[in-house]
This record gives sequence, structure tokens and C-alpha cells, in this order.
Amino acid sequence: SYVLTQPPSVSVAPGQTARITCGGNNIGSKSVHWYQQKPGQAPVLVVYDDSDRPSGIPERFSGSNSGNTATLTISRVEAGDEADYYCQVWDSSSDSLYVFGTGTKVTVL
Amino acid sequence: QLQLQESGPGLVKPSETLSLTCTVSGGSISSSSYYWGWIRQPPGKGLEWIGSIYYSGSTYYNPSLKSRVTISVDTSKNQFSLKLSSVTAADTAVYYCARQVVAGTHTDYWGQGTLVTVSS
Repeated sequence: SYVLTQPPSVSVAPGQTARITCGGNNIGSKSVHWYQQKPGQAPVLVVYDDSDRPSGIPERFSGSNSGNTATLTISRVEAGDEADYYCQVWDSSSDSLYVFGTGTKVTVL
Repeated sequence: QLQLQESGPGLVKPSETLSLTCTVSGGSISSSSYYWGWIRQPPGKGLEWIGSIYYSGSTYYNPSLKSRVTISVDTSKNQFSLKLSSVTAADTAVYYCARQVVAGTHTDYWGQGTLVTVSS
């Protein structure tokens, strides 16, 4: 099965840049999607297809994907960005199909 | 605005079958552009895909749960349902229903989630 590995936690000061990585074998060949989940709430899609943003998501959220690592970048971090973040791919080459990363807790200092 | 709402018992006994229904409003479940899926999250843990269904009835399941999962769709009611058999405490989780884009394979709408506890 396909595995997506994320750092358990990332800490960042307000106004700085947070980078959350998502590692997977040749992940650059797949479309990567990112979700933000605040406590007690359902996840919200913040980036899809590596780098596209859904309507209503601030430009501060951006994504990239190459080689074995995809990255979600949050610029000018705000207190409201504190949340868990999950990457996700659809892996048609394995039986896992719909795979989520392990999740990263972003703490705003 | 599309809305998804999970419904079903919040408490299920071990070895019994967990049954949930997701009602879709503000859009048609018969659209060819979307799958309809179930995703769960044990308390304090990450997200796990359970399975997805197309309006035609084609299904895709997580191999780790496949032997216990059945997902079905009722287009006349704009609903889809989850059945998970032989549950144990490990199946205690918040269960989300969701819409998944066929072309992009991402989830663009989620239900609010419902906590299902497996306990005697």
C-alpha cells in the first residue's frame, strides 16, 4: 500500500512562513491535495491538484509537488491557521486507492 | 450550497453492524462528476478512507476494511449509506460522509461528522 509521511508537528510565529511536507514514493507523479482540520470540525480542502486553491481559500496557502515530496506552504501565518493538516492522493496503482497522510499539527507561537 | 448530513445510531454494540446514512441536499447524487464516500477518524487520530460509491453503484473499498464494508446508494432519496459489520472498539470514530471529485480525486465537500462509539 502507498504511504504518505508527514512531520507530526510544525511550529511557526505569526507572520512567518510554515512549510508542511508530505513524503511518498514518486509522489511528484500524483496529484496531491491538502486539508485543514480545526478541533471539532470537519476537514476543509485548502489546496487541490498540487497547487490549486478552492474558492474562498486565501492566497497565503500554496502547494508544490516534485520527486518524493509535496509541500504545503502557509505564508504570513495567522493565529487562525493553527490546525491539523493532511495531505491526500489517489493511488490507482495500489489497492489503497484513497490515501491520507499521517497529519501535521501546526502550532502558531 | 451543497450539504451532506450523516445520520444513524451513536452507539453500537461489539460484533453488531454499524449503519449510517448520508443525505445530500443542494445537489444531485446522480451527477457523473462525483463519487460519494465515507471517511472516519478515531478520537485523536488521523483520517482513514473507508470507501466510495458512484451513482451507478460502482464501489471502491479500503482493502483493510473491505471484508466488513458495504456502501450503497439510493438516487431516489439522494442518499448513500454505510454498513460496517462485526464492529469492535477499534471502529469507534467520527464518521464523515463526503463528495469526491472524479476528475481530481479530492474531497470538496464534507458532512459535519457523527461520532459512533462501539461499546456494550
